Amino acid sequence: GAVVSQHPSWVICKSGTSVKIECRSLDFQATTMFWYRQFPKQSLMLMATSNEGSKATYEQGVEKDKFLINHASLTLSTLTVTSAHPEDSSFYICSARPGVYEQYFGPGTRLTVT
Amino acid sequence: AQRVTQPEKLLSVFKGAPVELKCNYSYSGSPELFWYVQYSRQRLQLLLRHISRESIKGFTADLNKGETSFHLKKPFAQEEDSAMYYCALEGFQKLVFGTGTRLLVSP
Repeated sequence: GAVVSQHPSWVICKSGTSVKIECRSLDFQATTMFWYRQFPKQSLMLMATSNEGSKATYEQGVEKDKFLINHASLTLSTLTVTSAHPEDSSFYICSARPGVYEQYFGPGTRLTVT
Repeated sequence: AQRVTQPEKLLSVFKGAPVELKCNYSYSGSPELFWYVQYSRQRLQLLLRHISRESIKGFTADLNKGETSFHLKKPFAQEEDSAMYYCALEGFQKLVFGTGTRLLVSP
């Protein structure tokens, strides 16, 4: 149980285009989902907290107009990277919270912007 | 602000040797601390959390509020323990990760 999926697992896009990443909790409902960014050989940096039915809370330094987050249902949150640039290339990981403390992580999505 | 420090990027030991992965934290409130593990080509998964005081795969971690530490220990390392280990602190409803320590257990 407690499986989180992400789609796609790997995406390549051209500079200036937008790309959407989906995060789904497969066997539980998650009122809260989180989006992280991980650079090579570095730790996970929290980008934003996504609550179902309300606006996401972004961490300091994260551009909300560039990284659009939508938490449309209790099992789905999406991250859209708008007008992507090469510096947006990274590994994006989501997690979902079914309870108070547990967080279950998705496998991550590798974004490469050319 | 909350902060988690893992001073070692790499810890290399031989099979059967004791292991201690260090973690120090900074947080003004009462912390909830976790250890997460990421095996090669796998997703991040919870190893243990301090509130449960349990031992998972032979690993234990004790919260020391005086030293603001939450070191991860295992008396006898196994090759399958080789992985990336992240210490994390839950505060203000968000999880902050340390930079991680890669544990390499050699035969």
